[in-house]
Amino acid sequence: DIQMTQSPSSVSASVGDTVTITCRASQAINNWLAWYQQKPGKAPKLLIYDASSLQSGVPSRFSGSGSGTDFTLTISSLQPEDFATYYCQQANSFPRTFGGGTKVEIK
Amino acid sequence: EVQLVDSGGGLVQPGGSLRLSCAVSGFTFSDYYMDWVRQVPGKGLEWVGRIRNKPNSYSTEYAASVKGRFTISRDDSESSLYLQMNSLKTEDTAVYYCARVRGTYHSPFDYWGQGALVTVSS
Repeated sequence: DIQMTQSPSSVSASVGDTVTITCRASQAINNWLAWYQQKPGKAPKLLIYDASSLQSGVPSRFSGSGSGTDFTLTISSLQPEDFATYYCQQANSFPRTFGGGTKVEIK
Repeated sequence: EVQLVDSGGGLVQPGGSLRLSCAVSGFTFSDYYMDWVRQVPGKGLEWVGRIRNKPNSYSTEYAASVKGRFTISRDDSESSLYLQMNSLKTEDTAVYYCARVRGTYHSPFDYWGQGALVTVSS
C-alpha cells in the first residue's frame, strides 16, 4: 500500500496568512493526488485534483503543486471559512489512501 | 443539483450485519464509478471500496480490512448504491460516506454523501 504522510499535523495561522501543507507519498504516484477540505460534522470537499487542477467553484487562493512523491497545498490570504482539516489522497493505485490530515486553526 | 444521501446507519452488535444505502440524484448514476469511504469519529479518512459501472462489468475493489466481509452493489434503475456489511467488528465503527468518482481510474471523489454513522458495540 502507498503511505501518505502529511505535515504539519496542525498549524495555527491568522486571517490573511499564507499556509503551506505538504504531502509525501511512499512511492511515486505521478500527479495522481487530490486535496480535500473537511469541516466538523461535514463530508470532505474536493479542492484540487491531479495535483494542481482546481475543482470547479473552489476559490483561486487554493493551489496545488508537485509530482512524483512530494506535493504541496498552498492557501493564500487565509479566510475565516478556510479554518478546517485538509487531507491529501493518492489516486495512483488501490487501495486508495489518505494522509493523516492537517488541521488549520485560528491563531 | 448533485445530491448523495446516505442512510441505514445504526447500532449493531459485533458479528452482526447492516446494509447502508446511498440514494443519488442530479446526475446519470449509471455512468459513474462509486466508492465508500469511512471515518472513525475524530480520526482520518479510510477508503473502503469501489464499484465500477456496467461497461466495466460492475467490477469491485476492496480495502484489505473489509474484503470478504463487505460487499458493494448498485441498482442503476434506482440510482442507488449499497454497502452490505457482515461479520462486523468494533473497529468498523465509523461514519460511512458514499462518494462519486469524478472520472475513471485516477480520478478523485468530487461529490460525497452526508455520512451514516455505524456503531458496532455490545
